[in-house]
Amino acid sequence: EDQVTQSPEALRLQEGESSSLNCSYTVSGLRGLFWYRQDPGKGPEFLFTLYSAGEEKEKERLKATLTKKESFLHITAPKPEDSATYLCAVLGSARQLTFGSGTQLTVLP
Amino acid sequence: NAGVTQTPKFQVLKTGQSMTLQCAQDMNHEYMSWYRQDPGMGLRLIHYSVGAGITDQGEVPNGYNVSRSTTEDFPLRLLSAAPSQTSVYFCASSGAENYEQYFGPGTRLTVT
Repeated sequence: EDQVTQSPEALRLQEGESSSLNCSYTVSGLRGLFWYRQDPGKGPEFLFTLYSAGEEKEKERLKATLTKKESFLHITAPKPEDSATYLCAVLGSARQLTFGSGTQLTVLP
Repeated sequence: NAGVTQTPKFQVLKTGQSMTLQCAQDMNHEYMSWYRQDPGMGLRLIHYSVGAGITDQGEVPNGYNVSRSTTEDFPLRLLSAAPSQTSVYFCASSGAENYEQYFGPGTRLTVT
């Protein structure tokens, strides 16, 4: 059974204070690891897909990295508009996405 | 493109009632899925479809039915609503291979 654990559950940062969110996973035959952003009252919005250990992807202040056991979402110099819940999901050999419960990020001005 | 649309946005049901949550996408995606989101539990897959006429069960299928008669539409039916089905429901779609899912805005369902 595929499993995804995200930590911390909640994170409060001051504007400009860089940090990282963690996604640990166990999966049979990783086909992809996905990061999504979810704002309150809205559906998740796709951010990144990572396919193999060592891969990195960047978008504005966000950078996602992948190892064989975990992924990190690094947030550099965050702004209040980066406040959201960040979700991690894995796609295994069963071709079904398994989601973690998310990290709720709050960036204070 | 409207992307993925869901109706209704909010719904209150009494125990035992049935209803259909609607989902439509205009991106010609083959893969569509339904999730429920509960506090502290993340998104859990209910049912999914890899193309018109093909559906399969996800992690939590009991109490729900789906059908896929067209590429665009993927309705979710609650057969006899129970308080345990109080949740936020999301529909998503993606291209056949990349699984980069596009989500709808969600339906917030309360069963009393």
